[in-house]
Amino acid sequence: EPEVTQTPSHQVTQMGQEVILRCVPISNHLYFYWYRQILGQKVEFLVSFYNNEISEKSEIFDDQFSVERPDGSNFTLKIRSTKLEDSAMYFCASSPGLGSGDTQYFGPGTRLTVL
Amino acid sequence: QQQVKQSPQSLIVQKGGISIINCAYENTAFDYFPWYQQFPGKGPALLIAIRPDVSEKKEGRFTISFNKSAKQFSLHIMDSQPGDSATYFCAASIIYKYIFGTGTRLKVLA
Repeated sequence: EPEVTQTPSHQVTQMGQEVILRCVPISNHLYFYWYRQILGQKVEFLVSFYNNEISEKSEIFDDQFSVERPDGSNFTLKIRSTKLEDSAMYFCASSPGLGSGDTQYFGPGTRLTVL
Repeated sequence: QQQVKQSPQSLIVQKGGISIINCAYENTAFDYFPWYQQFPGKGPALLIAIRPDVSEKKEGRFTISFNKSAKQFSLHIMDSQPGDSATYFCAASIIYKYIFGTGTRLKVLA
């Protein structure tokens, strides 16, 4: 069964450093998403992406965040200057479409630790 | 208005019992309501989902009940098993994103 994959599984970085989190969505899916989950809390929407453009972003997704689909398979989340509060699990998701019932499939996540 | 309220925060059930988790929402623009199961250190995995034009959906031991007028929906896990011990999130879909509930940590005692 196709699945969303994410690398790395765990990233440790120093505050102020740039990190890039990578995702390979399910191959025939058209919509891509990033969510984050601070330890013990709920999953929060960051951004959605379609046709090489951001469709929607949350207030969390400020200027230090960016997303890119650099080729036909990868989808990346870049955090330019990491802060301690960016420490969280980051989940990539993809869906085949946008309509009602187009389920989002989540990857296993990248644990980001900012020291 | 885009919040999804989930209760209880934690739930302990005996093996073979029924686990019930409830969610409520305000925004009538939500058009799809999935439930996700999450094990520690893993990503959320889709369990079951329902559209608002359906009042109930059953898949194996898992049932969603949906009350559109009350803007509430619930997950029922019948014959709960220790392997069901996980965190369960309800979610509501609106264009381009899911809004998740706060999660319910379920523990099924053997």
